[in-house]
Amino acid sequence: EVQLVESGGGVVRPGASLRLSCAASGFNFDDYDMYWVRQPPGKGLEWVAGINWNSYRTGYADSLRGRITISRDNAKNSVFLQMDNLRLEDTALYYCARGVRHSHGNDHWGQGTLVTVSS
Amino acid sequence: QSALTQPPSASGSPGQSVTISCTGTSGDVGRYNYVAWYQQVAGKAPKLLIYEVTKRPSGVPDRFSGSKSVNTASLTVSGLQAEDEGDYYCSSYAGSDTLVFGGGTKLTIL
Repeated sequence: EVQLVESGGGVVRPGASLRLSCAASGFNFDDYDMYWVRQPPGKGLEWVAGINWNSYRTGYADSLRGRITISRDNAKNSVFLQMDNLRLEDTALYYCARGVRHSHGNDHWGQGTLVTVSS
Repeated sequence: QSALTQPPSASGSPGQSVTISCTGTSGDVGRYNYVAWYQQVAGKAPKLLIYEVTKRPSGVPDRFSGSKSVNTASLTVSGLQAEDEGDYYCSSYAGSDTLVFGGGTKLTIL
């Protein structure tokens, strides 16, 4: 069974940094691209970042570029999202999602980790 | 990376069909056949319904179907059931290893 378990969320002040983690299991991790998607409370989904299977290619939402870095460790079946200079508007539930193999789209999602930026 | 445009709401009675549109640009929906659709019920993670415009993952009922014309993709839900109520999102590949989502459509079963 595919499982994605996010961690690392919490309550932080504006300007702080956080590193989110996603532990994957139940599939051959290094065969898949991985993504982060966020959802502010009561609002819609927003794509955040993606990384291909071997870390050679990464992509970032324009609104977050320069403040975030996605990375992965295939030996540990994990993907990470480093977020710096957090803003109030970054408050959201951050989902880790697996990419559809050899395609685009997300076929498995974690339950999310909540990031709250508050002064 | 502008969000794709979806109607905020849609509704239908049990047994009826409803179609939700997703309008992008020639740089995303119009350029790539990588449109996906997701269902999100309250408090849950999104679930993939459609990928590559028309393909259904295993386990997704064939009541859900997708299509695309120029810059607009559509999701049709046939034979509406009470359990179909929820939020529906489209997404598209937008080039340069980026994706973009729609704003979401709240489907109400009357």
